Amino acid sequence: EAGVAQSPRYKIIEKRQSVAFWCNPISGHATLYWYQQILGQGPKLLIQFQNNGVVDDSQLPKDRFSAERLKGVDSTLKIQPAKLEDSAVYLCASSVILAGINEQFFGPGTRLTVL
Amino acid sequence: QKEVEQDPGPLSVPEGAIVSLNCTYSNSAFQYFMWYRQYSRKGPELLMYTYSSGNKEDGRFTAQVDKSSKYISLFIRDSQPSDSATYLCAMRGTGNQFYFGTGTSLTVIP
Repeated sequence: EAGVAQSPRYKIIEKRQSVAFWCNPISGHATLYWYQQILGQGPKLLIQFQNNGVVDDSQLPKDRFSAERLKGVDSTLKIQPAKLEDSAVYLCASSVILAGINEQFFGPGTRLTVL
Repeated sequence: QKEVEQDPGPLSVPEGAIVSLNCTYSNSAFQYFMWYRQYSRKGPELLMYTYSSGNKEDGRFTAQVDKSSKYISLFIRDSQPSDSATYLCAMRGTGNQFYFGTGTSLTVIP
């Protein structure tokens, strides 16, 4: 079974530029998450989708971040304009309930550096 | 107060040692407790998943949950250099939102 795919793996931009990340979840996984992981911290949920609908985006900085999951499969996360404090790893995860366990599977992440 | 508190370490132990990793939490609604392992430049991977107080064992790993104290632990027996990674605790209530600790960095020295 293929895992969660993310691209690009690394991105370096200057502040005020725009950037987009792409995620392809595991086939059949209805729930998709985007997390921000700042160096030395745990993942922080940005947005959660159930199919193509948003379940929770309470911690998404909506003035600069946007995300969509068209057709309930792959998803994109965009930052426009980027700030220095957006430097982090952006993790995508998808989940499925197996034997009563809601298990998340994470992609390798996109490491963003904002200069 | 953060939802989940975890000592960031770093923790350095000799090969073969028993490792104890801990998290505390404040939300009594949390029902499901997880430990993830994250190698450098990789995404987290699920190690252990528990939903009740008590112990759960899987090979060299034991997860312990004490809901009355709002305290969870992960024990690693006979630690190996390949166990060197960051260990994240995570929790959730009845919804689908997961709350993560900051992670503890572990190095097992051969």
